[in-house]
Amino acid sequence: AQSVTQLGSHVSVSEGALVLLRCNYSSSVPPYLFWYVQYPNQGLQLLLKYTSAATLVKGINGFEAEFKKSETSFHLTKPSAHMSDAAEYFCAVSERGGSQGNLIFGKGTKLSVKP
Amino acid sequence: EAQVTQNPRYLITVTGKKLTVTCSQNMNHEYMSWYRQDPGLGLRQIYYSMNVEVTDKGDVPEGYKVSRKEKRNFPLILESPSPNQTSLYFCASSLLAVFINEQFFGPGTRLTVL
Repeated sequence: AQSVTQLGSHVSVSEGALVLLRCNYSSSVPPYLFWYVQYPNQGLQLLLKYTSAATLVKGINGFEAEFKKSETSFHLTKPSAHMSDAAEYFCAVSERGGSQGNLIFGKGTKLSVKP
Repeated sequence: EAQVTQNPRYLITVTGKKLTVTCSQNMNHEYMSWYRQDPGLGLRQIYYSMNVEVTDKGDVPEGYKVSRKEKRNFPLILESPSPNQTSLYFCASSLLAVFINEQFFGPGTRLTVL
């Protein structure tokens, strides 16, 4: 069965520093991959998605993620953190060719940004 | 405004008292889904629907029912709620199959079962 692992339930960075949130998936076949963001007291919003086009995917708010098949990873990065980036981030995977309606989420990483 | 709405937003109930959480989308989306969010566990899919009259179990369907009689509505039914169903629930919709398209999430329903 598909699974998603997000390393680090909490990540803290200083404003202006690099943001790196890690996501690894388990699948013998490259799946479809997503990053969602949840701001306090809100629902989830799509940041970016990988669906087998370019391996480097650019999303909203300056975030990007790189799909690395050899490492089964899809880490999320942003060169310079802003206070407004403080939120919880979820990596999610959907099986290619599998149960098309089933989306598996990681447990989330809470990002704090210090002034 | 394109959106997914959920009602109620907050609900406190007692064990065994049947309840329904409604979900409605105005984007003519085919796909709809319910998730629960618990601290340290992330989001887990309860049920999903690929289209009208087509529903399927997600990862944690026990204790829940759904129906999809109309394209826009996807209610979540708890026939006999128990305290372990205390959680934050999200409804989501997507234009077509989830593996391609963005899912739009509702604002959430915080349920407490005493």
